[in-house]
Amino acid sequence: DVKVTQSSRYLVKRTGEKVFLECVQDMDHENMFWYRQDPGLGLRLIYFSYDVKMKEKGDIPEGYSVSREKKERFSLILESASTNQTSMYLCASSTIIAGNTIYFGEGSWLTVV
Amino acid sequence: AQSVTQPDIHITVSEGASLELRCNYSYGATPYLFWYVQSPGQGLQLLLKYFSVDTLVQGIKGFEAEFKRSQSSFNLRKPSVHWSDAAEYFCAAPNQAGTALIFGKGTTLSVSS
Repeated sequence: DVKVTQSSRYLVKRTGEKVFLECVQDMDHENMFWYRQDPGLGLRLIYFSYDVKMKEKGDIPEGYSVSREKKERFSLILESASTNQTSMYLCASSTIIAGNTIYFGEGSWLTVV
Repeated sequence: AQSVTQPDIHITVSEGASLELRCNYSYGATPYLFWYVQSPGQGLQLLLKYFSVDTLVQGIKGFEAEFKRSQSSFNLRKPSVHWSDAAEYFCAAPNQAGTALIFGKGTTLSVSS
């Protein structure tokens, strides 16, 4: 089975802090994604990466950056956390083949106070 | 631009009754389409996917979905709902570049006894 692991399930951070959300996948997938999930808004794509050191902005990249130094690991960075970034963050991965399933981690609940 | 619409925010169904969750998409080419389920506090699990072959797709947990090109719909169905089916359900389709999935805003299913 594909496993996407998000190391932190629940975080509470202060406004202005730098926050790292880490994600690891064990299936040698080329693509990795970060989505944000908010009630009534569904999932919105923040960033995705199709290869090591490669990244593309999604629909809501403002206030976020990402890092992919190794194929299996994709990090989401909040340079200066704000209260409007309180949300559930979901990491996912897939192969490059169009239409292939995207596999999700269990999510990281971030509260910024 | 591609879009996925789930018209129903919340549906309540009696245990043992049939279920249909609606999904409409806008997509230029023949789409790939997905249904995911999310239990409270968890990540998303793939229920089924459509790959332009059979219009009726079988998935896990007794779910099926029918692709209707003329109606731009991909509705999810189950003949007899169980209490454990209570969850949030998301329909998804590729974005315009084909690089990620875009999601509907989700439908929350409640099951009454």
